[in-house]
Amino acid sequence: DSGVTQTPKHLITATGQRVTLRCSPRSGDLSVYWYQQSLDQGLQFLIQYYNGEERAKGNILERFSAQQFPDLHSELNLSSLELGDSALYFCASSPRQGASTDTQYFGPGTRLTVL
Amino acid sequence: GENVEQHPSTLSVQEGDSAVIKCTYSDSASNYFPWYKQELGKGPQLIIDIRSNVGEKKDQRIAVTLNKTAKHFSLHITETQPEDSAVYFCAARNRGGGGSNYKLTFGKGTLLTVNP
Repeated sequence: DSGVTQTPKHLITATGQRVTLRCSPRSGDLSVYWYQQSLDQGLQFLIQYYNGEERAKGNILERFSAQQFPDLHSELNLSSLELGDSALYFCASSPRQGASTDTQYFGPGTRLTVL
Repeated sequence: GENVEQHPSTLSVQEGDSAVIKCTYSDSASNYFPWYKQELGKGPQLIIDIRSNVGEKKDQRIAVTLNKTAKHFSLHITETQPEDSAVYFCAARNRGGGGSNYKLTFGKGTLLTVNP
């Protein structure tokens, strides 16, 4: 158990809908990272937040957005969902904002299925 | 941006044999190289990592080697056991500096099967 929690574990929804994925980092960690894992693209970095502020962006679609709250939990919002958005979404956390000595610890993931 | 190539995509070994997974990276500025193990239905779990000021690191049956000149690093698992069966991912990360430099770039993964 990494100490990172994600809810829900599974999510099934329809095209065009909007969903929110939630992540709680390890106790004391200030950075949260979101990744998407699909069979064809592998693990892709989406976005990073550090202590409430966006720090880095990866291959995140404009339909997706995220935020980190004062209690450091984070939410990933996916809107206007398409079939291709079906994937595993992972959250990871680290103590700082990505220093070279930081390790990222991954949560168990949310499996999103768009029908 | 960084590009990480991982080989092989699948690897099948007999219990007790060694397994080697290799990765190459493109950005010479990358300085941190973790390896993750992902079991079915779970998130990636860090098993070992190496920083660019070190050439080799060992933790019991697992070792990682890094060749900065050639820009490749490898995972070695000795005396493999059936519970080592999983997907293994290598990754590379650039030095900090803001923007996308904080991200990890992952290889496509290697499905390791250890046959009893």
